[in-house]
Amino acid sequence: SQQGEEDPQALSIQEGENATMNCSYKTSINNLQWYRQNSGRGLVHLILIRSNEREKHSGRLRVTLDTSKKSSSLLITASRAADTASYFCATDFNQAGTALIFGKGTTLSVSS
Amino acid sequence: SAVISQKPSRDICQRGTSLTIQCQVDSQVTMMFWYRQQPGQSLTLIATANQGSEATYESGFVIDKFPISRPNLTFSTLTVSNMSPEDSSIYLCSAREGGDGELFFGEGSRLTVL
Repeated sequence: SQQGEEDPQALSIQEGENATMNCSYKTSINNLQWYRQNSGRGLVHLILIRSNEREKHSGRLRVTLDTSKKSSSLLITASRAADTASYFCATDFNQAGTALIFGKGTTLSVSS
Repeated sequence: SAVISQKPSRDICQRGTSLTIQCQVDSQVTMMFWYRQQPGQSLTLIATANQGSEATYESGFVIDKFPISRPNLTFSTLTVSNMSPEDSSIYLCSAREGGDGELFFGEGSRLTVL
């Protein structure tokens, strides 16, 4: 069963604007990861945040994690048309290297 | 980082037939997984491919329908057996190098069952 629930399901913005996507999960985690999927392609890893971290940055990406609320957010700043894709959060329950459980995803459309 | 190649990338299949998807990783990896992504949906884990032993299936997936092999640390196959139109999906192979880091994904195999 899916662990994460993203919102919004779909987001349309203009180039240059910021995009925020949220993810909620149900059980305790070891880490939470965000992935991007361009249409018809495989998934690409964006960023990993561990349960003892609250915020992480990578380029134009900023991820926060609130374990008390079991939620995370992904912020993409200064969006570009090339950011148009589906974004998924994925939760990792333990350190044993088991499979990730993916949320339903947010479809982001950035228009120029 | 691991690079994963899957084939076929896409296929159109007839109802009742079976198709085997191959997944090749360019380096030895600890764990390999198979996911299904139905049209417009998220990823659902089918099974963990265990090297040299039977795969570990998730609830709702059975070995008779989705037999999986993993003969070594770089290769796995997934067979979709006795296909029906409901099996039309993208099947994604993924791998983990070890520990609790990121998953690497192949480009997926898009199956259409008529």
